[in-house]
Amino acid sequence: KQEVTQIPAALSVPEGENLVLNCSFTDSAIYNLQWFRQDPGKGLTSLLLIQSSQREQTSGRLNASLDKSSGRSTLYIAASQPGDSATYLCAVTVGGMRFGAGTRLTVKP
Amino acid sequence: GAVVSQHPSRVICKSGTSVKIECRSLDFQATTMFWYRQFPKQSLMLMATSNEGSKATYEQGVEKDKFLINHASLTLSTLTVTSAHPEDSSFYICSAQYTSSVWDEQYFGPGTRLTVT
Repeated sequence: KQEVTQIPAALSVPEGENLVLNCSFTDSAIYNLQWFRQDPGKGLTSLLLIQSSQREQTSGRLNASLDKSSGRSTLYIAASQPGDSATYLCAVTVGGMRFGAGTRLTVKP
Repeated sequence: GAVVSQHPSRVICKSGTSVKIECRSLDFQATTMFWYRQFPKQSLMLMATSNEGSKATYEQGVEKDKFLINHASLTLSTLTVTSAHPEDSSFYICSAQYTSSVWDEQYFGPGTRLTVT
């Protein structure tokens, strides 16, 4: 059974810092991997989608990498801002999606 | 990007009643839709896969007789929580799968918050 783990569970950083969120999955037979943002009490906002044949995707200050063979993905956030404060979820697609527990990020002004 | 809607966004019902939640893909056809559940302070868990014109496939531990799924058209899937109890209170989110010759992607609805009193 596919298990998705995210480390750290919570992270607090000062504004302007670059940071890395980690995601690992146990079965490399995935269709794609996606990073989402979820604000408290809200739905999901898709950030980056990496197909299984791709190694990375970039959007603005965000960069996500995928190493399928080792079962790992990282989300890099450059020059963090208070507006980046949210829970970040990693999910792999194997038919339906399997989600990690998330990293709760707080960026302090 | 593609748009998926859910209705209602919030619902409060009494214990023992049934509640229907709709999930619609507004600008594309979706043969496959998925239903997820998120309890407070927890991540999303896949409940079931809904395929247009056929029976839904439920994840282990999800009661198919309690969570009825109907995917009668390529743009609409419904989840009915039957005989709801307080422990069914949760955030229910659907997704619709967009499929093309280039890529597949799931687009998520905004979620429905169910409170059973």
